[in-house]
This record gives sequence, C-alpha cells and structure tokens, in this order.
Amino acid sequence: DAGVTQSPTHLIKTRGQQVTLRCSPKSGHDTVSWYQQALGQGPQFIFQYYEEEERQRGNFPDRFSGHQFPNYSSELNVNALLLGDSALYLCASSGGQGRFGEAFFGQGTRLTVV
Amino acid sequence: AQSVSQHNHHVILSEAASLELGCNYSYGGTVNLFWYVQYPGQHLQLLLKYFSGDPLVKGIKGFEAEFIKSKFSFNLRKPSVQWSDTAEYFCAVNAPQAGTALIFGKGTTLSVSS
Repeated sequence: DAGVTQSPTHLIKTRGQQVTLRCSPKSGHDTVSWYQQALGQGPQFIFQYYEEEERQRGNFPDRFSGHQFPNYSSELNVNALLLGDSALYLCASSGGQGRFGEAFFGQGTRLTVV
Repeated sequence: AQSVSQHNHHVILSEAASLELGCNYSYGGTVNLFWYVQYPGQHLQLLLKYFSGDPLVKGIKGFEAEFIKSKFSFNLRKPSVQWSDTAEYFCAVNAPQAGTALIFGKGTTLSVSS
C-alpha cells in the first residue's frame, strides 16, 4: 500500500517563475493538505482540499493556489516565485469521508528559488 | 490565533538518559494533540496522538505524552533514549472548531550519543 507520494523531490526555479508540485494521497484517503516548511521551522499550513474544493486556507497569499482531482490527487501551484518561497513543501493526506484523523505525510518537494 | 511553543530547540542526551520535550499551545477550546517525528532523510511520522479520554497516551517506540489541560501542555517523554531516537520532534495541535489544519511548533532536534 503506497503512502503519500510527492513529485518532484527537488527542483530549482528562478524568481518570477511559476511552479507546480504534485501529490498522490494514501490509498483510501480523500483529503489533502499542503504545508510549507522553511529551514529550521515547523510545517505551516497552506490549504486543504476535499471533494475537489478548497476547504480551509492558512495565511498564504493568492500566489499559492491548488487543485484536487477526482482521484483525490492534488497540485500546489505557486506563481511569481520569490526567494522566500524556498522551502520544503509537504503534502499530507487524511480522511475517509472528510473526517479528520491522523495525517500521513509525504517526503516533500524541496523547492529552491534563485 | 492558535500557536504551539516547543521550549527546547536542541536537546543532547546520552543513551539511556530520560527525555522530556515540552509543548504548550494557545487555544481555549477542544483540541486534538499530536507528536510527529522526522528521522534523518525520512518523512514526518506520527508518534502519538490525543483526541479524548485518558490524558496519558502511549505511542510507538516507547514514547508517551501527557495532556494537562490546565497548563495547555502536551509534553513528550521517554524513560530511556536510544541512539536511533536521534531525530526532529514536532508537536502539533488541531482545534476542530477552527477546521482540520494542524498547527505545528518549530520542532526540537534530539541528538543521542552512544
């Protein structure tokens, strides 16, 4: 049973560019959350998707957007990249009918903005 | 706004020493509490969780945590650490009334020498 898988594992982008990160949730999970983990910090909640809609959003600008597909996989898009967007981006899946429960995390995508 | 404080940034112990990592949160209502661990090169994994009931919860690998509601605390303990416990530990809180997002502390790095 595959856990949460994220792609790519690493990428380097230039300031001003756009990036898309992808996440496949753990089998049986229908809720996907995205977190940003800066160096030396704990993960910060970006947003959560359930039933293909954004259900909750953290304190991140509109440059951060997302999508959830009918198979529950999800994308995180970041536009107009800034140097400060360099971080580890974590995807977490949970649920079963949208119920809150233990969140399972992927290994993350390390984004470097130069 | 909810917040989580982890008092120790870096803890260094010898094998067989006892461990206690502090975690305090700021939220007056019902909370769900978690400790996650991140071993070097691995993804975040759940150590233990508290939703309700007995405030002393036991997790994997001999870890336990005690929820003290009056102190807004959820400290992690282990009677005797091993070299393999070297990792980063994160306390996280969810307030169900505010949604399903996890709010993380900044983490504590534990280094265990053999």
